[in-house]
Amino acid sequence: AQSVAQPEDQVNVAEGNPLTVKCTYSVSGNPYLFWYVQYPNRGLQFLLKYITGDNLVKGSYGFEAEFNKSQTSFHLKKPSALVSDSALYFCAVRDLGAGNKLTFGGGTRVLVKP
Amino acid sequence: EAGVAQSPRYKIIEKRQSVAFWCNPISGHATLYWYQQILGQGPKLLIQFQNNGVVDDSQLPKDRFSAERLKGVDSTLKIQPAKLEDSAVYLCASSLESTLMWYGYTFGSGTRLTVV
Repeated sequence: AQSVAQPEDQVNVAEGNPLTVKCTYSVSGNPYLFWYVQYPNRGLQFLLKYITGDNLVKGSYGFEAEFNKSQTSFHLKKPSALVSDSALYFCAVRDLGAGNKLTFGGGTRVLVKP
Repeated sequence: EAGVAQSPRYKIIEKRQSVAFWCNPISGHATLYWYQQILGQGPKLLIQFQNNGVVDDSQLPKDRFSAERLKGVDSTLKIQPAKLEDSAVYLCASSLESTLMWYGYTFGSGTRLTVV
């Protein structure tokens, strides 16, 4: 079965500093990987996805993620964090079995301090 | 395009009562998902529909939860009777698929259920 792990419950970073949110995955076959963000009292918003191709994926709001097959990781990055990036971030993997369902990690809360 | 619509946004009920949530997916999206997100955890799939048929309901507690998508468009998720541990955000998502591509999910804003 597919799974993802987000080892950090919370990441604290100062505004303007680089932001990294970690994700590792376990899949059989080629992984389809996703990052979503959730702001308070809101649904999940799509940030980016890796399906194939370039290992560096660029997404919304200046975020990018690096796919590393040897380390089975898909870390989310932003070169310069904003206070408005404070939110809950979820990594997810697509299950290529019945139905294309997404399996989510437990989430990482990001707090960007001014 | 209009997003995934869910209602109500918030619901507070007493344990052992029943509750229903409604979802209207994006027009043309054949696949609809219901996820449960307990505070501090990632979303967990409850049930997945393809048109009006169930693809996966292996994680749905069928003794108390039920869901339907009768005409392949709107969907309703019901809990009867509710337990305290059902307090969570219930997220609906829909996706567009073809034989060539899968376009990913669009989520609704969710319904926050509090069982007291």
